[in-house]
Amino acid sequence: GEDVEQSLFLSVREGDSSVINCTYTDSSSTYLYWYKQEPGAGLQLLTYIFSNMDMKQDQRLTVLLNKKDKHLSLRIADTQTGDSAIYFCAESRYSGNTPLVFGKGTRLSVIA
Amino acid sequence: SQTIHQWPATLVQPVGSPLSLECTVEGTSNPNLYWYRQAAGRGLQLLFYSVGIGQISSEVPQNLSASRPQDRQFILSSKKLLLSDSGFYLCAWKAGVNSPLHFGNGTRLTVT
Repeated sequence: GEDVEQSLFLSVREGDSSVINCTYTDSSSTYLYWYKQEPGAGLQLLTYIFSNMDMKQDQRLTVLLNKKDKHLSLRIADTQTGDSAIYFCAESRYSGNTPLVFGKGTRLSVIA
Repeated sequence: SQTIHQWPATLVQPVGSPLSLECTVEGTSNPNLYWYRQAAGRGLQLLFYSVGIGQISSEVPQNLSASRPQDRQFILSSKKLLLSDSGFYLCAWKAGVNSPLHFGNGTRLTVT
């Protein structure tokens, strides 16, 4: 199976909260990241969390990390139409210069 | 502040023609540099990465090559393009140990 897994699609109504989930397999992961990709654009770093943290909040974004279950989630409060995009989870497996490992991305559709 | 430039934004090339995509980073020194390809299925495929001038690691054997002639310049090349080389190519950089990846805006390549 994939090393970093995400569901492919999520649809929510404008104003509701969105929760995008991600599971990873490597317990040595040091940092975990969330990226946003709008159509035709590159990936934009949204937020990241160090593996010794449980939660990180940044305005409408809340990241929760369950290291025991290797589960990461991104909650977007008061979801807006501008939040429609593909969201990628990524893990940094080792300290050093090795590349990040990405999930396949979750396409978030916000219904007005 | 650091910025990454990637060009061209779009490119249409015939089968068998050469390719050169360029990426430069400003505002930092000795970055780690990466080339990814994103096919229509959305997943990111790591192609090459470099931790220093002249140092290239290839992740996938294929029709492409990469070079790093200067500290902040990363070039993706092909001598003869194939139809299967079509895709969205993303350059990225990171500062070093446990730093997040920062992406360019991408190049949409269509091989006809």
